Amino acid sequence: QKEVEQNSGPLSVPEGAIASLNCTYSDRGSQSFFWYRQYSGKSPELIMFIYSNGDKEDGRFTAQLNKASQYVSLLIRDSQPSDSATYLCAVYLTGGSYIPTFGRGTSLIVHP
Amino acid sequence: ETGVTQSPTHLIKTRGQQVTLRCSSQSGHNTVSWYQQALGQGPQFIFQYYREEENGRGNFPPRFSGLQFPNYSSELNVNALELDDSALYLCASSLSAQSRSYGYTFGSGTRLTVV
Repeated sequence: QKEVEQNSGPLSVPEGAIASLNCTYSDRGSQSFFWYRQYSGKSPELIMFIYSNGDKEDGRFTAQLNKASQYVSLLIRDSQPSDSATYLCAVYLTGGSYIPTFGRGTSLIVHP
Repeated sequence: ETGVTQSPTHLIKTRGQQVTLRCSSQSGHNTVSWYQQALGQGPQFIFQYYREEENGRGNFPPRFSGLQFPNYSSELNVNALELDDSALYLCASSLSAQSRSYGYTFGSGTRLTVV
């Protein structure tokens, strides 16, 4: 089992809809969780950070963390074509490591 | 405040050759991490440098080596290039290697093609 798993997609949603991206992790003791956005041919860009159970909102983005079920989600409200990108989940696993493990990313396509 | 800069942006090398990639970290960041990203995959951790010392290494062979300089800039060296080394190489800097609360600032990457 991979340590950080994401469905590669693509996830296709219409403009204005809510896009829901999921990430599961294998290490129950995992702590900090990050979401990065990567446009095609570009480098990843940090968009969200969450470490507590529950929701964290930043503009149209909401990160949801459920440590008991070992998943973290990213919701994008009012999706826009400019949100079309690959979304990478990064998790700090336990074991004393201060180096995050990245998932393979989910490709999101928002069509007009 | 400048971001993370990487050079070169693109590179074509022949199998068996050696390559050096360079990275300047964001101002105030003392930690640099290098990642390899193959097409359609997530970034794979190569190694991290903190205050000029290697602070962690991923599952990459010894022909991948690195350095960090006193100004926190860094180099990634790859010897005896193989076709599978073709990928996007990402440099990322962060405020501290001793915290799980800081995200990474990535450079624009170096696209390496080995032929």
